[in-house]
Amino acid sequence: NAGVMQNPRHLVRRRGQEARLRCSPMKGHSHVYWYRQLPEEGLKFMVYLQKENIIDESGMPKERFSAEFPKEGPSILRIQQVVRGDSAAYFCASSRFGTADEQFFGPGTRLTVL
Amino acid sequence: AQTVTQSQPEMSVQEAETVTLSCTYDTSESDYYLFWYKQPPSRQMILVIRQEAYKQQNATENRFSVNFQKAAKSFSLKISDSQLGDAAMYFCAYRRSRTGANNLFFGTGTRLTVIP
Repeated sequence: NAGVMQNPRHLVRRRGQEARLRCSPMKGHSHVYWYRQLPEEGLKFMVYLQKENIIDESGMPKERFSAEFPKEGPSILRIQQVVRGDSAAYFCASSRFGTADEQFFGPGTRLTVL
Repeated sequence: AQTVTQSQPEMSVQEAETVTLSCTYDTSESDYYLFWYKQPPSRQMILVIRQEAYKQQNATENRFSVNFQKAAKSFSLKISDSQLGDAAMYFCAYRRSRTGANNLFFGTGTRLTVIP
């Protein structure tokens, strides 16, 4: 039973490029959450998605960031025109159901912007 | 807004001894969930223990137990018989129980060092 998978594990981009981070939830899970961890800080919520729907994007920056969770395939977190301040670890978590369910975390993607 | 505070950036404990990590939180909700996550150097987030606010009994998982004081909004983690593998960052987290409010709010973490 594979856990939450994220790829790539490490991503290097130059300023102005686009970054695409992928998350495959655990089998049977239809809820996906994205969190960002800046150096020496705790994780901060970005967005919560169910299949084909964004449920809560209150933690998502208004510009340059977008997320999707299509009917088929992984969830994608997309960052356009990256800046140095986007350098962070991005974690995806998934759960089978909603409110009372445990979230299982992936290993994270470490984004470095040069 | 919900906030989670961990006032101990670093803690250390001798192997086989007991250590307590502190966490306080702020909320106006009456029902919610609290969690402790462990993040070892691999950076994988691992759930250690969870507590439902409506339960008065403190949660326990083997060597890990919590002291949940709802009125004081305090949720400390006790690690007994500390082992070298317990060395990691520990994050306290809060989640509301309302439908659709699934995201976790994390504290800034406590780095635990275990001394052989």
